Amino acid sequence: NAGVTQTPKFQVLKTGQSMTLQCAQDMNHNSMYWYRQDPGMGLRLIYYSASEGTTDKGEVPNGYNVSRLNKREFSLRLESAAPSQTSVYFCASSLGLPNTGELFFGEGSRLTVL
Amino acid sequence: QQQVKQSPQSLIVQKGGIPIINCAYENTAFDYFPWYQQFPGKGPALLIAIRPDVSEKKEGRFTISFNKSAKQFSLHIMDSQPGDSATYFCAATYSGNTGKLIFGQGTTLQVKP
Repeated sequence: NAGVTQTPKFQVLKTGQSMTLQCAQDMNHNSMYWYRQDPGMGLRLIYYSASEGTTDKGEVPNGYNVSRLNKREFSLRLESAAPSQTSVYFCASSLGLPNTGELFFGEGSRLTVL
Repeated sequence: QQQVKQSPQSLIVQKGGIPIINCAYENTAFDYFPWYQQFPGKGPALLIAIRPDVSEKKEGRFTISFNKSAKQFSLHIMDSQPGDSATYFCAATYSGNTGKLIFGQGTTLQVKP
């Protein structure tokens, strides 16, 4: 049982390049999330998808787009990467409702933008 | 602005000590407060959680204390062990939403042998 799988685990980009982070979950969860983790800033929500077919902005959505491809997959796209987007990105999933407060996280994708 | 403020940023204790991590929130609509533990190179994982109608909750060596009037809650780790060395995040959410969490800034704990 893989849980939440993110790819790639590491990526180096040049300013202005684009890329997509992929995420898939095999727990039949309804809700999926993208967070970024930066030192001293905690985990900040970028976008989330409460259910298949819906997406909403989180705290820090600027510079990102998302696609909920199906119930299993939720991708995060950087159209024109900037050094400020250097971070560790985590995908997570949850049952949705009822809200148990439990998110299941992937192992993260470390992105460096030069 | 929905915020959860967490302190200290880092903490070093000796084995057997009782590290305490504090969090404060602003939005009184929050009604569920989980704590997450993260080991290096891994994603965070749920450790323990509390609702505001309970003042204290224990799970093994981990205890959450909750002060609803002060809008504060804290994590205590009893008899801490080197294996408890990790980053800890407090969080807050609404039970009526679909699991979207607001996280604190994180505390890096080191337990020395």
